[in-house]
Amino acid sequence: SQQGEEDPQALSIQEGENATMNCSYKTSINNLQWYRQNSGRGLVHLILIRSNEREKHSGRLRVTLDTSKKSSSLLITASRAADTASYFCATAGAGSYQLTFGKGTKLSVIP
Amino acid sequence: EAQVTQNPRYLITVTGKKLTVTCSQNMNHEYMSWYRQDPGLGLRQIYYSMNVEVTDKGDVPEGYKVSRKEKRNFPLILESPSPNQTSLYFCASSQGQGGTGYTFGSGTRLTVV
Repeated sequence: SQQGEEDPQALSIQEGENATMNCSYKTSINNLQWYRQNSGRGLVHLILIRSNEREKHSGRLRVTLDTSKKSSSLLITASRAADTASYFCATAGAGSYQLTFGKGTKLSVIP
Repeated sequence: EAQVTQNPRYLITVTGKKLTVTCSQNMNHEYMSWYRQDPGLGLRQIYYSMNVEVTDKGDVPEGYKVSRKEKRNFPLILESPSPNQTSLYFCASSQGQGGTGYTFGSGTRLTVV
């Protein structure tokens, strides 16, 4: 069953601008994760935020989590052409190994 | 290098001809999983395994089998492939109960004609 829903489905920005992607989910979670996928390749884990955390940073990435609204956002600052990829959020329920993925946001960064 | 290795990378086969996609991880992870990715549908889980000899169905298990005889290997078996199983398949592994990120393989692009 699809848990996360990313918004927007596609995003096109100029190099140097910030990119924001949102994710909404339906049921309670243990943690929420973001992944990047370059075209046709495997997914790469970017960042994990636990249900008791509100914000997390990793390099140019900033993730927020609002469990009351069941939503998360991923901010990529000072984007680069190499950031062009699809970005997925995935949720893990309490006590569960399983990750449920959304359909992704396709980000294009124009040089 | 810590990794999940899938083989083959590309496979074209005919309807009904049994095939196996192999998956191996070198991180001593307990949890392994198979996903398929289709345009407009995102990633959907096929089967997962929480440890050796422990497997369970995901969201789309029909037409697939798995086994987990060793911790490092988790092959995906299509006993009688059909064209609707044409897809991009990913194996992934993780240590910890959802509390750590998954490591994904590079994918297997399967075409069933």
